[in-house]
Amino acid sequence: SQTIHQWPATLVQPVGSPLSLECTVEGTSNPNLYWYRQAAGRGLQLLFYSVGIGQISSEVPQNLSASRPQDRQFILSSKKLLLSDSGFYLCAWSVHGSGNTIYFGEGSWLTVV
Amino acid sequence: AQSVAQPEDQVNVAEGNPLTVKCTYSVSGNPYLFWYVQYPNRGLQFLLKYITGDNLVKGSYGFEAEFNKSQTSFHLKKPSALVSDSALYFCAVRPPTGANNLFFGTGTRLTVIP
Repeated sequence: SQTIHQWPATLVQPVGSPLSLECTVEGTSNPNLYWYRQAAGRGLQLLFYSVGIGQISSEVPQNLSASRPQDRQFILSSKKLLLSDSGFYLCAWSVHGSGNTIYFGEGSWLTVV
Repeated sequence: AQSVAQPEDQVNVAEGNPLTVKCTYSVSGNPYLFWYVQYPNRGLQFLLKYITGDNLVKGSYGFEAEFNKSQTSFHLKKPSALVSDSALYFCAVRPPTGANNLFFGTGTRLTVIP
């Protein structure tokens, strides 16, 4: 069966510091991978998605970037965090195809202080 | 443009009573529709989806949803609510072509009262 792991689960970082959130998927190959941010416990916003190694699409302009160095690894980064980057970040995966379910990781809480 | 509306921020229901969480959508073509549940400080868990076929879809934990094309709705239902069903519920839509994304509603917080 497929599993998705993301870490760290919680992170407190000072303004201006770098960020790296990691996500890996097991039990499947060539998945679509996604990074979402959830604000205020409600709405989910797609930040990045990837259909293959090195292929990243950004949905919104922001202070963050994403990379996919390996087939089942997706990394969310920032060189200098802003206070507004605080939030709950969710990694997700799916098989290619519009009708396929997107499955989410357990999320990472980022607090920028 | 595609969108999803969950008109109720909060739904309260007594334990043992039937529950309904409402969702309407706007999308070009035949949509793919999903329901997810989120418990506090956790990721989203997939409950069920409608792709094609029977309008009544059954999912995890006794939940079901009915696709109504004429009303562009996909309401989530359960015949008998449990206290453990208390959580945040998200409806989502995915266009049939050209998009790798799910478009989420703003969520409905369900509270089941013992």
